[in-house]
Amino acid sequence: ETAVFQTPNYHVTQVGNEVSFNCKQTLGHDTMYWYKQDSKKLLKIMFSYNNKQLIVNETVPRRFSPQSSDKAHLNLRIKSVEPEDSAVYLCASSYDRVYEQYFGPGTRLTVL
Amino acid sequence: GQQVQQSPASLVLQEGENAELQCNFSTSLNSMQWFYQRPEGSLVSLFYNPSGTKQSGRLTSTTVIKERRSSLHISSSQITDSGTYLCAHYQGGRALIFGTGTTVSVSP
Repeated sequence: ETAVFQTPNYHVTQVGNEVSFNCKQTLGHDTMYWYKQDSKKLLKIMFSYNNKQLIVNETVPRRFSPQSSDKAHLNLRIKSVEPEDSAVYLCASSYDRVYEQYFGPGTRLTVL
Repeated sequence: GQQVQQSPASLVLQEGENAELQCNFSTSLNSMQWFYQRPEGSLVSLFYNPSGTKQSGRLTSTTVIKERRSSLHISSSQITDSGTYLCAHYQGGRALIFGTGTTVSVSP
């Protein structure tokens, strides 16, 4: 049963546009994550965030930024999309330091 | 190099056959997780498995921390088992490091 929700399911846009993806979890977790799954299907961490600390994967371009209003929401904003940003973006959550993570269904981004 | 190696890359099964999927880690293993990725892309957590053996229905996961490996056994495979199986371990901190997956295809 889904407890990590993502919108939209799909998004098609053009190079240079700004996009924003939403993620909400109803598990009462205090830590949330964004992962990117590329065309080769490899999943890589982009950000992990709780109300104390944002950890950014150093390989993530600056045009990506997480935005959080409270511990149940973590959105992902891409300021000016590029073709290599086409991928599936997966949101996850967990209790801090307890490790086990639960994933949302993903948002598939296509950049034309 | 790849921190998490999964084998085989792909597997074709006849319905009813058993299968063993392997996951090897190049760094010390703290804890790890097995996932099933549906064809449409959503990830389902199968096991959170710091060490030892866990079973859920027809799936059994065995992790040997000091040997830096984990296996996932599927018994009596069914068509609905088709999809991609991913293992991942926890890097220092919170991030999951994923393997490249094993794609399983079960035919009647």
